Amino acid sequence: DQQVKQNSPSLSVQEGRISILNCDYTNSMFDYFLWYKKYPAEGPTFLISISSIKDKNEDGRFTVFLNKSAKHLSLHIVPSQPGDSAVYFCASYTNAGKSTFGDGTTLTVKP
Amino acid sequence: DTGVSQDPRHKITKRGQNVTFRCDPISEHNRLYWYRQTLGQGPEFLTYFQNEAQLEKSRLLSDRFSAERPKGSFSTLEIQRTEQGDSAMYLCASSSALLRYEQYFGPGTRLTVT
Repeated sequence: DQQVKQNSPSLSVQEGRISILNCDYTNSMFDYFLWYKKYPAEGPTFLISISSIKDKNEDGRFTVFLNKSAKHLSLHIVPSQPGDSAVYFCASYTNAGKSTFGDGTTLTVKP
Repeated sequence: DTGVSQDPRHKITKRGQNVTFRCDPISEHNRLYWYRQTLGQGPEFLTYFQNEAQLEKSRLLSDRFSAERPKGSFSTLEIQRTEQGDSAMYLCASSSALLRYEQYFGPGTRLTVT
């Protein structure tokens, strides 16, 4: 079974600087990786995705990098804003419909 | 687009009782997912429907859990003979056929088993 690890429970950055959130996985049986953002008392919100055949995807301030040889992906947020403060989850997705989530990283962006 | 809705938002029940949760997905989405989330952890996959067909089910889902999506629209998740370990947030999500990986989540149902 796929395992997804987010080894940093929390990250604090200054407004305007880059935030880098990391995620490791154990096997290559996935079709996409996703990043979700979660505020308290709400369900996760889709942020950005990357296909298993790509190594980079960019959407505005958000860029996701996939390093298949290292089984590692990262989310870069540039520039970081206080409204980005939330819990971020990475998740794998297979076309069979199954997702595996990491345990999340709490990002705090200080003004 | 009213988003994914879940009912109830909170449920307190006594151990041994049965509970049922409802999820209404985004209307044009044919895929529906159920997850369970406990404090400090990410959502844990429970089951997946494409239209009315239940196509994937976690091995973690015990026989006490059952889910249905009878007409390919709303879905229900039932937990029989609840245990204290079932206390968690139950999340529902839906996605379209075209962007199947882009899941939209509801606000969740928080279950407390006393």
